[in-house]
Amino acid sequence: SQQGEEDPQALSIQEGENATMNCSYKTSINNLQWYRQNSGRGLVHLILIRSNEREKHSGRLRVTLDTSKKSSSLLITASRAADTASYFCATDAESSSNTGKLIFGQGTTLQVKP
Amino acid sequence: EAQVTQNPRYLITVTGKKLTVTCSQNMNHEYMSWYRQDPGLGLRQIYYSMNVEVTDKGDVPEGYKVSRKEKRNFPLILESPSPNQTSLYFCASSLGGWGYEQYFGPGTRLTVT
Repeated sequence: SQQGEEDPQALSIQEGENATMNCSYKTSINNLQWYRQNSGRGLVHLILIRSNEREKHSGRLRVTLDTSKKSSSLLITASRAADTASYFCATDAESSSNTGKLIFGQGTTLQVKP
Repeated sequence: EAQVTQNPRYLITVTGKKLTVTCSQNMNHEYMSWYRQDPGLGLRQIYYSMNVEVTDKGDVPEGYKVSRKEKRNFPLILESPSPNQTSLYFCASSLGGWGYEQYFGPGTRLTVT
């Protein structure tokens, strides 16, 4: 079952611009995470935000979470060519059984042009 | 260096020939899992393990087996591979279940002809 849906599917910007990606999900969650994947490679964890948090920062990354709208956004400021990658949100599903399973969205492909 | 390793990285095989993809982590993580990634379908969990000798099915377990005899290793076994198992496979590990970041291996690209 698909929980997270990213929007847009693809995004192309110039170096130095900001990039915003959105994620919507369907059921209540405990946590939401964002991951980056360079082409054909393993995913790298970026940030985890808990359901009782509204905003979190890490370097040039800012993540917001709106549990009433069941949505999250990832903002990358002052983008660099090295930020070119696919970005995924991943959620767990609030439940009494902690299976640890993450449900990934389809991802947003970001291209940053030099 | 903390890492998750997978072997092989690339594999081309034929239908029905049993194969094993190994996964090992050096972070003493309790939780390990396998995902497959397919275009248009995203990442889907195959199996997971909360600890040694404890494994359970994810969303797409059909055609796969796993075992967790040691904490560091979590091999994925395809007893009789079929072409619909052609995919990019990732192993991941974390300290626990929810609320922990997952560390992913580099991936294994499997082609079954």
